[in-house]
Amino acid sequence: KQEVTQIPAALSVPEGENLVLNCSFTDSAIYNLQWFRQDPGKGLTSLLLIQSSQREQTSGRLNASLDKSSGRSTLYIAASQPGDSATYLCAVYNAGNMLTFGGGTRLMVKP
Amino acid sequence: NAGVTQTPKFQVLKTGQSMTLQCAQDMNHNSMYWYRQDPGMGLRLIYYSASEGTTDKGEVPNGYNVSRLNKREFSLRLESAAPSQTSVYFCASSEAPVGVEQYFGPGTRLTVT
Repeated sequence: KQEVTQIPAALSVPEGENLVLNCSFTDSAIYNLQWFRQDPGKGLTSLLLIQSSQREQTSGRLNASLDKSSGRSTLYIAASQPGDSATYLCAVYNAGNMLTFGGGTRLMVKP
Repeated sequence: NAGVTQTPKFQVLKTGQSMTLQCAQDMNHNSMYWYRQDPGMGLRLIYYSASEGTTDKGEVPNGYNVSRLNKREFSLRLESAAPSQTSVYFCASSEAPVGVEQYFGPGTRLTVT
């Protein structure tokens, strides 16, 4: 059974810092990996989708990498801003149409 | 273009009551999903519909039923609510069942007393 782990569970940084969020998964037979953002009391917003054949994806200040063989993905946020404060979730797509989520990293960016 | 919409936003039920959570998408997506989110457990798939006319169980289907009413709508029914079903429920949709982005609704917060 696929298991997805996100470290750290919580992170607090001053504004302007570059930061890295980590995601690891136990079964490397994935179709893709998706990073989401969730604001308190809200739904999930898709940030980046990396296909299993890709190594990375970029969107603005966000860069996500994927190393399928080692079961790891990282989300890099450049020049963090208070508006980036949210919970970040990674999820992997397995065979059987299952999207398995990690527990999330709660990020606080202090002004 | 509203994306994925869910009703109601909040609901309180007594144990044993029944209710249906509604979900609709206006993106002409083929696949739709129901998840629940619980503290410490993350999001878990309850049921999904790969295409209109099909439904399949996910990781935690017990106590729930679903109906894919048409391509736009996918409902989740609790026949006899239990306190263990207190959760936030999210509906999602995607163009295809495999390998593409899923888009999520705003969620329904359900409390069963």
